[in-house]
Amino acid sequence: EVQLVEYGGGLVQPGGSLRLSCAASGFTFSTYEMNWVRQAPGKGLEHISYISSSGSSKDLADSVKGRLTVSRDNAKNSLYLQMNSLRAEDTGVYYCARGEEYCTNGICYVGFDIWGQGTMVNVSS
Amino acid sequence: DIQMTQSPSSLSASVGDRVTITCRASQTIANYVNWYQQKLGKAPTLLIYAASTLQSGVPSRFSGSGSGTDFSLTISSLQPDDFATYYCQQSYTTPRTFGQGTKMEVK
Repeated sequence: EVQLVEYGGGLVQPGGSLRLSCAASGFTFSTYEMNWVRQAPGKGLEHISYISSSGSSKDLADSVKGRLTVSRDNAKNSLYLQMNSLRAEDTGVYYCARGEEYCTNGICYVGFDIWGQGTMVNVSS
Repeated sequence: DIQMTQSPSSLSASVGDRVTITCRASQTIANYVNWYQQKLGKAPTLLIYAASTLQSGVPSRFSGSGSGTDFSLTISSLQPDDFATYYCQQSYTTPRTFGQGTKMEVK
C-alpha cells in the first residue's frame, strides 16, 4: 500500500525547535519530489516546502525561509522538516505530500496525489 | 510567489445542483492548475490536474476548465458526499500556492 506517515509534531514554546519526519512506503521514494503543506486551525492550505527527487533542488515559502529547512534521505525513504525559531503562527497540521508528475505530449504537470494523515504542531507558551 | 484568488469562499447548495467555483491566478500560468477536495479532519485529495484532467477514480460529475489566469471547477449534480472544502493550486512554479478554499455547505 502506498503510504506516507508523518510524526514528530507536538507542543513547543515560541522560539523553540522541532523536527518533523515523513516515512514513505509502497512506492519508489527516490523518484518523486516531496512536499510539506501546512494548515493553520480553521484555515486553508499553505505549501511551505518542496524538495526534488534527488534532494538537489529545494524551495521554501517566504513565510518560513530562514527558519525551516527541508531534507530527505532516499536510503531511508524519509522526508524531514527542521523547524527553528518557531512562532505562534506556525501552529497547525503539517502534511507531507508526494508530487506525482503527469506527462502528456511532452508537457508535465505536478499534482500532490498522496498525502499523509498530518501531524499537529502547537507553538505556545 | 503566484497568488491564487478563489471564489466564493463559501457556497450553499442542494443535492442535485450544478455548482461552479472559480480561481484566478496573479499571472498567466497556462493550464498548470490542480483542484483538491478536503473533508473535515482529513488530508486533501487530488481531483483534477492540468486544469481539466480528472485524477483516476474521480467521478465524472467533476470537471475543470480554464487557461491563462482564469480557471473553474464544476460539479454537474451535487451529491451528499461532495459537501467539503475545495482548493485550487497552481503547479506552474514553486511554491505551488493554493487558493483560500471554498466551503460547500448544505442549503
